[in-house]
Amino acid sequence: GEDVEQSLFLSVREGDSSVINCTYTDSSSTYLYWYKQEPGAGLQLLTYIFSNMDMKQDQRLTVLLNKKDKHLSLRIADTQTGDSAIYFCGEDSNSGYALNFGKGTSLLVTP
Amino acid sequence: DVKVTQSSRYLVKRTGEKVFLECVQDMDHENMFWYRQDPGLGLRLIYFSYDVKMKEKGDIPEGYSVSREKKERFSLILESASTNQTSMYLCASSRRGTAYEQYFGPGTRLTVT
Repeated sequence: GEDVEQSLFLSVREGDSSVINCTYTDSSSTYLYWYKQEPGAGLQLLTYIFSNMDMKQDQRLTVLLNKKDKHLSLRIADTQTGDSAIYFCGEDSNSGYALNFGKGTSLLVTP
Repeated sequence: DVKVTQSSRYLVKRTGEKVFLECVQDMDHENMFWYRQDPGLGLRLIYFSYDVKMKEKGDIPEGYSVSREKKERFSLILESASTNQTSMYLCASSRRGTAYEQYFGPGTRLTVT
């Protein structure tokens, strides 16, 4: 699959906001996604955004989509230690069934 | 509560052995997937299946095969395990038409010695 790019590490203090950035490749993707992987577990869908939207807010999570630059971001407000995990950005793949994932951003939240 | 289960959390095999990784989902999902996860490489799709007995190659199918004889079960087979297949293997499933909402199992960490 083509490359979805995201930074590998992010460290923030508890209570601060976290912003995880992603650059995707396929401008025809219908949806773009954020998945979360907690230690020792599989991935879990955190949120997704339809490609004709610019922003989606869900409690502490805000997703911003810039289609012109193919840039997706996930903002976590009031980050907690329980938010420490790996966050994967994803886009539709050409198969129509599977997803292309980025390499994942490891978020470390320190007290 | 939706569930994807994998037969083992940890597995140690020797080079050249035939290895079966089993995945079962209880959500009546049509689509099932096998990924491998490696540090610095993220998730890479090995194979997926969109129906019983149907399979499609993903990005890295070499050295692997799959079997889907029943809707709820998707098996990954390593015909002759090699050390470069040491990895975390993740199974996932999704409903037809909602590929974005994949449900993942906890993973099997396979070590080939």
